[in-house]
Amino acid sequence: GAVVSQHPSWVICKSGTSVKIECRSLDFQATTMFWYRQFPKQSLMLMATSNEGSKATYEQGVEKDKFLINHASLTLSTLTVTSAHPEDSSFYICSARRLAGFTGELFFGEGSRLTVL
Amino acid sequence: GQQVMQIPQYQHVQEGEDFTTYCNSSTTLSNIQWYKQRPGGHPVFLIQLVKSGEVKKQKRLTFQFGEAKKNSSLHITATQTTDVGTYFCAGHGNKLVFGAGTILRVKS
Repeated sequence: GAVVSQHPSWVICKSGTSVKIECRSLDFQATTMFWYRQFPKQSLMLMATSNEGSKATYEQGVEKDKFLINHASLTLSTLTVTSAHPEDSSFYICSARRLAGFTGELFFGEGSRLTVL
Repeated sequence: GQQVMQIPQYQHVQEGEDFTTYCNSSTTLSNIQWYKQRPGGHPVFLIQLVKSGEVKKQKRLTFQFGEAKKNSSLHITATQTTDVGTYFCAGHGNKLVFGAGTILRVKS
């Protein structure tokens, strides 16, 4: 089946630093990837839709200058949390669909747990 | 905007008991998907329902999509300890919106 890989799986950083998280589709091309944020025992909150070769589409309330998304190739999207603060600590998960424009299943990465000290 | 409500938030059952989680959308859906997230893991796709009134089964799991395509349920018969995790529905209207999830604990 389709596999989406996410790296790093966990990261601890100091307040004020930036952290980059990578999301790769390993066996398919993904023109669109999705970035979610999940707090403990809560649901998945869509942050943004990453589009290959164009700007990401951010959900309401998500700061695009805070959460930089780059989708440079058909298999890689990155999320950079800039000037991270403790309130940015969370579980970040990416996902992708195997077929562009298809409303089918999402394949999720393993997630990245960010802790900002 | 589109909202998907899911209940209950938590469910503790004795092994062997049945379990049901329910989802209700504020808008009519083109499809609904169900995912399972094990503790410490990532969501894994279980199934997608598309047709009004559709019922699908996967071994002990039964999924239903309402006639109006606004609600859905997941029923697990005779739960096992391997069923523990959080079950999410995700409704596809204009976009895919996840429910809050139901955390299932199974006591052996």
